[in-house]
Amino acid sequence: GENVEQHPSTLSVQEGDSAVIKCTYSDSASNYFPWYKQELGKRPQLIIDIRSNVGEKKDQRIAVTLNKTAKHFSLHITETQPEDSAVYFCAASTTGNQFYFGTGTSLTVIP
Amino acid sequence: GAVVSQHPSWVICKSGTSVKIECRSLDFQATTMFWYRQFPKQSLMLMATSNEGSKATYEQGVEKDKFLINHASLTLSTLTVTSAHPEDSSFYICSARDPGGEGLREYFGPGTRLTVT
Repeated sequence: GENVEQHPSTLSVQEGDSAVIKCTYSDSASNYFPWYKQELGKRPQLIIDIRSNVGEKKDQRIAVTLNKTAKHFSLHITETQPEDSAVYFCAASTTGNQFYFGTGTSLTVIP
Repeated sequence: GAVVSQHPSWVICKSGTSVKIECRSLDFQATTMFWYRQFPKQSLMLMATSNEGSKATYEQGVEKDKFLINHASLTLSTLTVTSAHPEDSSFYICSARDPGGEGLREYFGPGTRLTVT
C-alpha cells in the first residue's frame, strides 16, 4: 500500500517568515494530495489540495507544489501569522480510495 | 467546503457499556464515509470505510465485532463501540467523501471524545 512520510515533525518560525512542510509518497498511482490543518481538539480542515496533473497551486498565503517524478509534495505558508499555529497533515490517495496520512507537523508561529 | 456533523461531541461511559456515534453529511450525499481514531499528538488512524448499503471494510487490526459500523443512508453513518473498555478511550473522527469534483475531497466531522471509566 501507500506510505506517506512527512517532515519535519515540529517547526517553529517567527511571525512573518515562511514555513515549508514536505511529504513523500511511495505509490506512483496516487493522484490526489490534500493538506489539512488541525487545531487542538478540533477537526482537520482541508486547506489546499492538488491533483497529479498540476505542479503547483496557490491560494493567498498557502501554496502546494508537487513533483511526481520524485514523488514528493510540499506545503508552503508565507507571511506566517500566529493563527497559522496548528498541526498540519498531508495525505495521498488514488481516486476513490482511502487517504493515507502523514504523521503530522506541529507548526508554531512565534509572535 | 462541505459540512459534516458528528454527535455526540463528547461522551463518558462505564466499562462494559456501548456507545453510538453518529456522522452526518449535511449538504451532500456521501456514498462513502470513513471512521478514524486519533490519539493525542498522533496522526489519523483509519479504522474502517463505510459504504452506503453494504458492509463496512475494516482495516487490519480493527475488531469488526467491537466497532460496529452502519451506513444506513447516503447522509448517515454510525459507529457503535460495543462493550467499551478504558483502552477504547480516544478521539473518534468521521469523514465523508464529497462526490462533487470527481469525488476526491474528504471533509471531517468535529470528532467525538470518548472516555471510558
